[in-house]
Order: sequence, then structure tokens, then C-alpha cells
Amino acid sequence: DQQVKQNSPSLSVQEGRISILNCDYTNSMFDYFLWYKKYPAEGPTFLISISSIKDKNEDGRFTVFLNKSAKHLSLHIVPSQPGDSAVYFCAANLNSGNTPLVFGKGTRLSVIA
Amino acid sequence: NAGVMQNPRHLVRRRGQEARLRCSPMKGHSHVYWYRQLPEEGLKFMVYLQKENIIDESGMPKERFSAEFPKEGPSILRIQQVVRGDSAAYFCASSPRGQGFYYGYTFGSGTRLTVV
Repeated sequence: DQQVKQNSPSLSVQEGRISILNCDYTNSMFDYFLWYKKYPAEGPTFLISISSIKDKNEDGRFTVFLNKSAKHLSLHIVPSQPGDSAVYFCAANLNSGNTPLVFGKGTRLSVIA
Repeated sequence: NAGVMQNPRHLVRRRGQEARLRCSPMKGHSHVYWYRQLPEEGLKFMVYLQKENIIDESGMPKERFSAEFPKEGPSILRIQQVVRGDSAAYFCASSPRGQGFYYGYTFGSGTRLTVV
């Protein structure tokens, strides 16, 4: 029973264009959402997060959008750069951090120069 | 300020042997989480520990797997009598008390276990 779903295993985008990574969740009790980035042979690194009381959070080239009614969030990267090529994991949190993060399976982003 | 340190980075074990994976959390972090990533899969939660306490082990297989986070020293994930299906990347993460949901966790680089 996967509570956090990333239905696109991979995505290719040209350098300079926008990358949109999608994530769906099933548990309406999730109150915080996070995106992690992972390079090969390294651990995931925190990228950006959003509280369930907001619908948008922006940090430089990265913006996360949350649509609670659709139980959907997306990560926008603009402009995309070759160094953004990595696996991106969506994660969700229950109970304000007192329970472990639930991760999706990840989406592999390739930014082509 | 060192990050989360995991060792060894790579571990090869024969079927039936024991695997011990170590994790030293970031300085000041008292919460430790272990996750496993199987090939082509996402990160699956295994266990959540605080010093000398297991808080949540709902993701741990019932047999052969155990974890501890002693008062002194690193957290240890132990896998007894390893089988080929245990081959995976094991990631440890840590967070400060009560602040995990703001910044998420800080992950280590992982231990890649190969069972031959």
C-alpha cells in the first residue's frame, strides 16, 4: 500500500527548460511534504518542503506546489541545469514530524545540454 | 561539523553471515532513522530510534534484523544470517529533536550491502 506515489520513473528535459516532477498521495492526514534529491552513490539531500497549510513554496529555481483537494504536489525547476540530473524523491510526514517520513519511489531527471 | 557518517560504504557478505552497519548521527541530533533502498525501489522506512530507545520498528522484518542506538557510540543495524534478498543500499538519517519536519532528515551516504 503505497501512500506516496511518483508515477513517472524518469523524465528528460532540455537545459534551460522547465522540469516538472509530480507526486500523489493517498493519506489526507499528511501535514508536511518534502522533496529530496539523490545523486548516484550518495545519500538523499533535502531540497525544499511545504506545509499542508500552504499551496506554494519557492526557493530560487525550485518551487513546490501543493493541491490538497487533488492530493497532489509538484516540484518545478526552472531553468533546468545539467547539474540537476538526479533522482528526486517526494516524501510526506504525519503528525508534525513525530513519525517517520514516507517516501515515493523517485523520478530520475535527466537534463540534456 | 561532520554530517551523518555511515560505515562501511560497501559490505560484501556470504549467505548466512552477519552484517553490521554503523551510523553516527550529526552532532546534536538525537533521532536516528534507518531506511532501505532495494534496486529500482524507493526508500523504505525500517526503524526509528532515539538514544537507548526504539521508537518505531514497524518497517523492520520480524526476523534476523535488529537495531540499537546506545547511550555511547553509533547506531547499529544488524542483519543476521543474510540472504541474497537483503542486498540493498541502507541509509541512515538523523534529525534534531522535534525538528525533523522543517528540514527533513540529514542522510548519510549509505552502506551498500551485497550478499553473495
